[in-house]
Amino acid sequence: KNEVEQSPQNLTAQEGEFITINCSYSVGISALHWLQQHPGGGIVSLFMLSSGKKKHGRLIATINIQEKHSSLHITASHPRDSAVYICAVQGGSEKLVFGKGMKLTVNP
Amino acid sequence: NAGVMQNPRHLVRRRGQEARLRCSPMKGHSHVYWYRQLPEEGLKFMVYLQKENIIDESGMPKERFSAEFPKEGPSILRIQQVVRGDSAAYFCASSPELAGLYEQYFGPGTRLTVT
Repeated sequence: KNEVEQSPQNLTAQEGEFITINCSYSVGISALHWLQQHPGGGIVSLFMLSSGKKKHGRLIATINIQEKHSSLHITASHPRDSAVYICAVQGGSEKLVFGKGMKLTVNP
Repeated sequence: NAGVMQNPRHLVRRRGQEARLRCSPMKGHSHVYWYRQLPEEGLKFMVYLQKENIIDESGMPKERFSAEFPKEGPSILRIQQVVRGDSAAYFCASSPELAGLYEQYFGPGTRLTVT
C-alpha cells in the first residue's frame, strides 16, 4: 500500500463545475503539499498545509490531521485547470513522498 | 528573482555514456532536492543536499548515480554508464536556507532519453 493515495485517478469535468480531489496518507506528517503538473511537464507548488485550510484564488485546500486526509477544491473550473494534481507529504525529514497524481481534464 | 533553473532541458545519451544534469536553486536557497519521474509513474525522491553536504541519499540507486552541491556553482546529478531504464524526467527543487517547513520550488526538469 502506498503511503499516499489519491482519488480519483482521472477526472473529466465541464467548465464551471466544482471539483474535489482527495488525498489520504498513512504516516505521520509535518506538512502536506499540493502540486500541479502541466501537460508540458513543469511542476508548480500550489499549497503547503500543516493544519486547517488555505485559499488562493479559485483553489481551496483543507487538511484533517486526525483523519490523515486532505482535499483540494477547484471552484468555477476552467479548461486551463487541466493538469495533473499531485499530493505529497513531508514527514520527519525534508524529502517529499508523492501520490501518483490525478489527471484532470476540464472541457469547455 | 529567477526561479529554479535546470539544464539541459532535454538530454539524449547512448547506453554506456554519462549524463550530467545541472540545477541552480533560487537565489537565497541552499537546500536542493532531486526527484525522478519515470514514464507513467509518480515522482520519487532521490537525494537531498545542502551546500557541500549530502543530507539524505536514501532514494539514490546504489550504483552509477551520484550527486553534489559544491560551495560555488550548481548542483549536479551524475549518472554513469546510463541504461535505458534511466530514461525519465529529473526534477530539482529548492527551499530556503532556514530549516523548517517551506514550500519547495521546482525547476522545469531535464528529460533524459537513453537510446
